[in-house]
Amino acid sequence: AQSVTQLGSHVSVSEGALVLLRCNYSSSVPPYLFWYVQYPNQGLQLLLKYTSAATLVKGINGFEAEFKKSETSFHLTKPSAHMSDAAEYFCAVSEGPQGNQGGKLIFGQGTELSVKP
Amino acid sequence: EPEVTQTPSHQVTQMGQEVILRCVPISNHLYFYWYRQILGQKVEFLVSFYNNEISEKSEIFDDQFSVERPDGSNFTLKIRSTKLEDSAMYFCASRNNYEQYFGPGTRLTVT
Repeated sequence: AQSVTQLGSHVSVSEGALVLLRCNYSSSVPPYLFWYVQYPNQGLQLLLKYTSAATLVKGINGFEAEFKKSETSFHLTKPSAHMSDAAEYFCAVSEGPQGNQGGKLIFGQGTELSVKP
Repeated sequence: EPEVTQTPSHQVTQMGQEVILRCVPISNHLYFYWYRQILGQKVEFLVSFYNNEISEKSEIFDDQFSVERPDGSNFTLKIRSTKLEDSAMYFCASRNNYEQYFGPGTRLTVT
């Protein structure tokens, strides 16, 4: 069975500081990995995805994540936080869309990012 | 840019009543999903749907739940007899390749 663990339910950074949100996964098959962002009272927006190509993945809004198989990690980073980055971030894993099976996302608990001025 | 839409945005119902949550997936997508998020908790998979049938469902998706694609554009989630613990945000998603696109959600409140 697949699972995702996000370390830290709340992360607070100062504006301009590095953002690091941690995600570790467990999967018996090569995983597809995703980061989603959820702004208050809104749906889930895809930030970036890893689907077995380049291990360093760049996403929207200056975010990137690196897939490290040896560490079963997919941490999300951004060099310089902006006030507008304050939101809830979810890491998710999938077995990948194999035909008509699979593709469901298993989510972590989420990390709420606060950005201080 | 195409998007997934959901109606209503907020539904209040009494315990024991039936509710139908509606979703319009992106038009060329073939795979459809429902997820739910209880307040303060993580997003949980409920069911996936492909080629007019359920392809996978979670243990949450019991006999009280059903899904349907009645007309080739809508994708609905029905809860036959709502319980207090069904109160949650329900998200619909659709995909064609690797990415799932989520709708804005329906907040269901069961009183």
